[in-house]
Amino acid sequence: NTGVTQTPKFRILKIGQSMTLQCTQDMNHNYMYWYRQDPGMGLKLIYYSVGAGITDKGEVPNGYNVSRSTTEDFPLRLELAAPSQTSVYFCASGYREQETQYFGPGTRLLVL
Amino acid sequence: GESVGLHLPTLSVQEGDNSIINCAYSNSASDYFIWYKQESGKGPQFIIDIRSNMDKRQGQRVTVLLNKTVKHLSLQIAATQPGDSAVYFCAESLSGTYKYIFGTGTRLKVLA
Repeated sequence: NTGVTQTPKFRILKIGQSMTLQCTQDMNHNYMYWYRQDPGMGLKLIYYSVGAGITDKGEVPNGYNVSRSTTEDFPLRLELAAPSQTSVYFCASGYREQETQYFGPGTRLLVL
Repeated sequence: GESVGLHLPTLSVQEGDNSIINCAYSNSASDYFIWYKQESGKGPQFIIDIRSNMDKRQGQRVTVLLNKTVKHLSLQIAATQPGDSAVYFCAESLSGTYKYIFGTGTRLKVLA
C-alpha cells in the first residue's frame, strides 16, 4: 500500500480560475476527508465522505465541491479561486469512524 | 519545507528529558481523542488515541492522559529525541458526527 496520495504538491492560481485537487487511497477505506490548514491554525474540515456516492459538508465548505464515485478517489474542486483559499490542503482516509485517519502529504495552493 | 504554524506555542526540551504537551478540548460530549505529529512539509501522522471511557493510555514512549472534568488532554513523550521535533496536534471527536475538531498545535523543539 502506498497510503494516501495527493496531486499536485504545489499550485499557483489566479483569482477566478478553477482547479481540482486529486486524492487517492489504496487502503480500501470507507471514510475520506478534506481539510485545509492555515498558518497558526488547526485543520478545518471542508468535506467528508463515508462511502462511494455519499458526501457531506464540514465546517468550511463554501467555495468547494467534492465527488466520490469510487472508494479510492475523492477529488476536491475549487470553482472560482479566491485569495482566501490560499492554504495547505490535506486529504485523509480511515476505515471506520473514530479510528486512525491517514493523511496525504498535502497540496499547497497559492491564489494571487 | 512547508511552514505549518508560524506563531504556535513552543515547548523546548533537552534531548533525553521527558516532554509534556497539553491540549484543552472544546466539547464535553466528545468521546474520542487523537494526538498527531506533523513534521515540516508533511501531513499529520497518528501517534496515539484514547476513548472517553479511559483516563490513560500508553504506547511506545508516549502516554496520553485524559481529564474529562476539566476537558484536558496531555501527551507525554519519554526520553525525547531529536526526531520528536515537530508540531503536535490534539483532535476530538463525537461519535455519530464523523468529524474531528483539531487544536492549533504546539511546536516541540528538542535541544541537543
